[in-house]
Amino acid sequence: KQEVTQIPAALSVPEGENLVLNCSFTDSAIYNLQWFRQDPGKGLTSLLLIQSSQREQTSGRLNASLDKSSGRSTLYIAASQPGDSATYLCAVIDGNEKLTFGTGTRLTIIP
Amino acid sequence: EAGVVQSPRYKIIEKKQPVAFWCNPISGHNTLYWYLQNLGQGPELLIRYENEEAVDDSQLPKDRFSAERLKGVDSTLKIQPAELGDSAVYLCASSLGGRDEQYFGPGTRLTVT
Repeated sequence: KQEVTQIPAALSVPEGENLVLNCSFTDSAIYNLQWFRQDPGKGLTSLLLIQSSQREQTSGRLNASLDKSSGRSTLYIAASQPGDSATYLCAVIDGNEKLTFGTGTRLTIIP
Repeated sequence: EAGVVQSPRYKIIEKKQPVAFWCNPISGHNTLYWYLQNLGQGPELLIRYENEEAVDDSQLPKDRFSAERLKGVDSTLKIQPAELGDSAVYLCASSLGGRDEQYFGPGTRLTVT
């Protein structure tokens, strides 16, 4: 059974700093990995999707990397802003096309 | 382009009462998902549809939960009777296919008293 872990559970950084969020998964037989953000009381917003054949994807200040063999992904956020405060979730799709989520990292950007 | 639409946004009911949630996916998306999210946790899949067919309902508590997607477009998730432990956020998502990027609706927050 696929297990997805995100450490740390919570992170606070001053505005303007660059930061990295981590995601690890136990079964490397995945089709893709997706990063989401979730604001309090809201649904999930898709940020980036990395196919299993890719090593990274970029969107604006966000860069996600994937090391499938070691079961790891990172989400890099450059020049953090208070509006980046949210919970960030990673999820992997396995061979059964099932999306398994981590428990998320709650990010707070301090103005 | 409209995103995934869910209603209601909030629902408060007493235990043992029935409740239903509705979802309209993004136009053209064949795959529709219902997830349950407890506080502080990631979403967990309840059921996945490919068009009208439920292709994965292994995590759906079938004694009290049911779902349908009759015309392969919108979908309804029902709980009858509701229990206190069903209090959670119910999220609907859609994608073009089972391996494609998933887009989520705002969710329905259910409180069972």
